[in-house]
Amino acid sequence: DADVTQTPRNRITKTGKRIMLECSQTKGHDRMYWYRQDPGLGLRLIYYSFDVKDINKGEISDGYSVSRQAQAKFSLSLESAIPNQTALYFCATSDFGQGAGNEQFFGPGTRLTVL
Amino acid sequence: AQSVSQHNHHVILSEAASLELGCNYSYGGTVNLFWYVQYPGQHLQLLLKYFSGDPLVKGIKGFEAEFIKSKFSFNLRKPSVQWSDTAEYFCAVNANFNKFYFGSGTKLNVKP
Repeated sequence: DADVTQTPRNRITKTGKRIMLECSQTKGHDRMYWYRQDPGLGLRLIYYSFDVKDINKGEISDGYSVSRQAQAKFSLSLESAIPNQTALYFCATSDFGQGAGNEQFFGPGTRLTVL
Repeated sequence: AQSVSQHNHHVILSEAASLELGCNYSYGGTVNLFWYVQYPGQHLQLLLKYFSGDPLVKGIKGFEAEFIKSKFSFNLRKPSVQWSDTAEYFCAVNANFNKFYFGSGTKLNVKP
């Protein structure tokens, strides 16, 4: 299922480097999200966007920034990477509306390692 | 604070055993409820969802979940698990059509 794609899939970088993770979707959804997954902690929301002009902080936004370049694109940046940002990062999209059940569709993930 | 609790962090079962994974949430408004599964090395996939109607919902691969509003619960069940069900399972809540909140996940290991 290539409706939500993420690049890169794997990245190893050094402390202090700037990193950008990209997400693209072909589902036509307005809502996009960035999560990080750490063992035993589940998924934690970093940022979310309900449309192109809407950006909101999630529960763990410190050290991250985002850009919603278009309806289909939502990028996550680490301005100065640190080792505790080593994690699996997921992008997700969703529609709006009770009738659709507004489930989220996830990308394949980006495994980021900060040395 | 709004939260989603999954009580079992790691469950080990033999094939053909029955499964029940607990999920409780702490929102009082309109909720849509979800169970996602993550197979090893893969992304999250939707197992089932509840947004209205019959509180007993059926999903893929023989899974079902029951929404009990009075208990703020949405437990996942399967009568007979298979080795291929080995995965991590996440409960999620969408409150008032806003953000999604995820539980910490339950790792299920099914022994053949």
